[in-house]
Amino acid sequence: NAGVTQTPKFQVLKTGQSMTLQCAQDMNHNSMYWYRQDPGMGLRLIYYSASEGTTDKGEVPNGYNVSRLNKREFSLRLESAAPSQTSVYFCATQNWDNFLETQYFGPGTRLLVL
Amino acid sequence: AQTVTQSQPEMSVQEAETVTLSCTYDTSESNYYLFWYKQPPSRQMILVIRQEAYKQQNATENRFSVNFQKAAKSFSLKISDSQLGDTAMYFCASSSGYAGGTSYGKLTFGQGTILTVHP
Repeated sequence: NAGVTQTPKFQVLKTGQSMTLQCAQDMNHNSMYWYRQDPGMGLRLIYYSASEGTTDKGEVPNGYNVSRLNKREFSLRLESAAPSQTSVYFCATQNWDNFLETQYFGPGTRLLVL
Repeated sequence: AQTVTQSQPEMSVQEAETVTLSCTYDTSESNYYLFWYKQPPSRQMILVIRQEAYKQQNATENRFSVNFQKAAKSFSLKISDSQLGDTAMYFCASSSGYAGGTSYGKLTFGQGTILTVHP
């Protein structure tokens, strides 16, 4: 039972390159989220997926796209990376069958865009 | 929309002493949840404690307790008998309490407080 896994752990990109961050969960949770954490700031929501087949924008969606591939997987894509997207990215999951549940976070992906 | 504010960028405490971290929030939701998360140097986000806004009783989890003042929109975290392993960044966060609300499970985080526990 791995919980929430993210790949890669660390990535260096050049400006303009593209990449996809992967997130997978084995908790059978309905909802999945992508956050970014910049130095000195709290996490900010990029996109979320309330349930399989649905996605919606969060607070800072510009420059990103997402895919909810199935119930387990939720990927985040940077089509043309910019230095402003240098950050630590967290995936999280939540089961909305139980409103007392909180979100469970992956270990994060550190992204550096040069 | 929800906002969360942590006004203490850094705090320090001696081992075995008590420390309180402050948090204020604002929300238009009638039903919501409040959380404290801990982020050690490993960057893993760890839930410390949560509070349902409709409950008047303050939540407690072992050495961690909150002082929830709903009218004042204040949600502080008290750590008793501080331990070296408590050294971390602490985030206060809020979320909507029900599906269908405009915040729908989305967590809104404060800026964080770096807590250092000294031996």
